[in-house]
Amino acid sequence: GIQVEQSPPDLILQEGANSTLRCNFSDSVNNLQWFHQNPWGQLINLFYIPSGTKQNGRLSATTVATERYSLLYISSSQTTDSGVYFCAVANDMRFGAGTRLTVKP
Amino acid sequence: DAGVIQSPRHEVTEMGQEVTLRCKPISGHDYLFWYRQTMMRGLELLIYFNNNVPIDDSGMPEDRFSAKMPNASFSTLKIQPSEPRDSAVYFCASSRGIGAAEQFFGPGTRLTVL
Repeated sequence: GIQVEQSPPDLILQEGANSTLRCNFSDSVNNLQWFHQNPWGQLINLFYIPSGTKQNGRLSATTVATERYSLLYISSSQTTDSGVYFCAVANDMRFGAGTRLTVKP
Repeated sequence: DAGVIQSPRHEVTEMGQEVTLRCKPISGHDYLFWYRQTMMRGLELLIYFNNNVPIDDSGMPEDRFSAKMPNASFSTLKIQPSEPRDSAVYFCASSRGIGAAEQFFGPGTRLTVL
């Protein structure tokens, strides 16, 4: 099956900083999603982004399907951004191991 | 829509007991997925249904696990008998289509087997 790798595994930021999370996948895909798992365990859809770029407030994502990677950008981070960020490749229902983000006040 | 609904939210049981987890997908979604999340293995797909029919159950860990979807608005995941290593958070998700389709997750059921 498709391998999904996320980096970095852990990230600690000061409030207000920007960050980039990466998701690499081993084969071509027709779907990719980014999720945020908050400290209460809820999985929240961030982006459905098989290709191209999308933005939603302080968050944006870019997927370059031909090069098999996706990036999630978080600008002006807030403490409420803390949690684990997952990318998932839906045609194989594969989740990466996640990036644990901690934003300190 | 209310989103994907799961019950119970928390379940504590003793080893050997039967456990039944329940899920109501988003209305109009034709795919339903069951996932398990553990610290060791992360999020892993157990089984998924299309139009109430199980399509791929290769992720079901062993025969103690079974899943059914008697109608478009209800699915169950049953563990019998339960073991401490089954302790995990179990998520249900649904989507309209598969592959190029966005999945929506329920809040999960945290299962603890003593």
